[in-house]
This record gives sequence, C-alpha cells and structure tokens, in this order.
Amino acid sequence: GAVVSQHPSWVICKSGTSVKIECRSLDFQATTMFWYRQFPKQSLMLMATSNEGSKATYEQGVEKDKFLINHASLTLSTLTVTSAHPEDSSFYICSAKLRGRFAEAFFGQGTRLTVV
Amino acid sequence: GESVGLHLPTLSVQEGDNSIINCAYSNSASDYFIWYKQESGKGPQFIIDIRSNMDKRQGQRVTVLLNKTVKHLSLQIAATQPGDSAVYFCAENMSGNQFYFGTGTSLTVIP
Repeated sequence: GAVVSQHPSWVICKSGTSVKIECRSLDFQATTMFWYRQFPKQSLMLMATSNEGSKATYEQGVEKDKFLINHASLTLSTLTVTSAHPEDSSFYICSAKLRGRFAEAFFGQGTRLTVV
Repeated sequence: GESVGLHLPTLSVQEGDNSIINCAYSNSASDYFIWYKQESGKGPQFIIDIRSNMDKRQGQRVTVLLNKTVKHLSLQIAATQPGDSAVYFCAENMSGNQFYFGTGTSLTVIP
C-alpha cells in the first residue's frame, strides 16, 4: 500500500512556543490530506482537510488560527500548533487519500505532542 | 462533525475464538466504509473496506457486514490471534471526501 510519513514522531515543547508537524506521501501524490487528533483511549477526531494549493477546511470547533495548515505541494502538508498550551498535548495523525471515489486513506504513524 | 469520541469499549476473547466488533455510523448518506486497526502509539492500518451497495465482504480471516437500515457495521475476525490485539475503528466516508471515525473497540486476545 501507499506510504504516508509523519515527522517528528514525538515532540516536547514549552508552553507558548509553536510546533510544526510534517506529513508526506512518499510514493503517491495527494491533492488532499487530512489531520486528526486523538486523545488517550478515544477515537480519531477530524480537525481539518488540507487541500493542495488552497486553504484548509476546518471542522467545526477547530481554531484555524491555532492550527495552521499548509499544503504546499502534492506530497507535503504541515500542521503548525501555534502558541501551544498543555491542553494541546495529544496524538496528531495525518492521512492521505488516493484519487478516486472509493479510495482508502493511508495514515501516518502519528506525532505525540507534549506541551510542558 | 460526525461521531463524537467516547472512551473505548473493550472486548476480550480467547485465542482461537472468533471475534465480532460492532460499529454504529452516523450519516445515512455515507457510502463507503473502512475498518482500521490501530496498535498503541501508531497510526491506523487498513483492514477491509465495503461499499454501500454491498452487505458483506470477506478478506483473509476477516468479514465485514453492513446493515444500512440501522446504520451498523460489524467486523468478524476468525480464529483470533494474539497479534490481533489492538483498537479497531470503523470509518465512514461520503462523496469520496473525509473519513469520520467511530468510537472504536479495544480488543484483547487472551492466550
């Protein structure tokens, strides 16, 4: 299957700083990528849809100024958590979908963010 | 948004037994569904998918059943093995866009 890579896998940052997470599709082009957030023992919550060359579409309740998404190329989307607070600590997972009406989404390995 | 994240229900089965994991999806317009397996600290992995024009689909040791009337999916795992221990999620898709995840079930296989 297609490979989606996230970097970093784990990051610890101080409150008030910003953290950037990268999501790359390694062997296919992804015009659309998705960012999810997952708290311990809970499901994946969709945060936003990242569209190559245009603005991201955010789910209701997700602050677009706090979670900046950039999809600069067909293989790279980035999520920047700005002015991070401890409550932003979570597992962030990206996914990319192959083209086609019924195409599965492939997931990165996730990024564990801890804000101290 | 779609389904709201809740604390995971759990299922324990004896090694060798069959497992049945259930999922209720929320959008009657969803027409494509995937079951994912997630191991601790990792991203979800594809298990099997099904389109809404089907009621059943079989893979290797896994079967997915879809009941559109009650918006319900199930995943059956035959001869469950210790390596099957993980969290299982169903994800629904409409119009080929975003996937929304169900609550998930934590499966523990007892050797």
